[in-house]
Amino acid sequence: EIVLTQSPGTLCLSPGERATLSCRASQSVSSSYLGWYQHKPGQAPRLLIYGASRRATAIPDRFSGSGSGTDFTLTISRLEPEDFAVYYCQQYGSSPLTFGGGTKVEIK
Amino acid sequence: EVQLLESGGGLVQPGGSLRLSCVASGFTFNTYIMSWVRQAPGKGLERVSGISTGSASTYYADSVKGRFTISRDNSKNTLSLQMNSLRADDTAVYYCVRGGTGTPFDLWGLGTLVTVAS
Repeated sequence: EIVLTQSPGTLCLSPGERATLSCRASQSVSSSYLGWYQHKPGQAPRLLIYGASRRATAIPDRFSGSGSGTDFTLTISRLEPEDFAVYYCQQYGSSPLTFGGGTKVEIK
Repeated sequence: EVQLLESGGGLVQPGGSLRLSCVASGFTFNTYIMSWVRQAPGKGLERVSGISTGSASTYYADSVKGRFTISRDNSKNTLSLQMNSLRADDTAVYYCVRGGTGTPFDLWGLGTLVTVAS
């Protein structure tokens, strides 16, 4: 099983600041089958990034993903008020499909 | 509109059963792998089950193997999860999700809450 470790657990930032979220895998993630999801309370999680760096439909370009192998990063270039949420990485290339523990981005 | 709509959650006693359903609309259901993902209170996301397009292949997390059964009816655009022998640690919001091995989870339902308690 591929274990995904996200850091930091919580990120306290102000609107307009840059957010950098890390996801480290215990083994190489095949074919960059790495996704990032945004989850707000009471809402369905939303796919932001797939294939490590491809933005999903209708996702603003302030969200970007990078990385390969075992180290991946989600960057939000300038935080908007609606971006404060929990973010999860997921590998969907190797069963069992697994999620990281999440990074909460909260308002400073 | 492209959407997934779950139903069937509720309060059940330990050892009891529930059947969750998910109706898909706005896309060609029978061409997508489907999954159930849950989130226990204060916890992260866990994929508990998945099913291939034609139902030939299924997946279960170890935590639910032998107790949960996933199925789909492509003629009715419906995904189901039969949950038996429920335990307190099955308490969670259960999401119907489009996606599986090799495909990102690109569409999620709003979720249905399952509470297992006496």
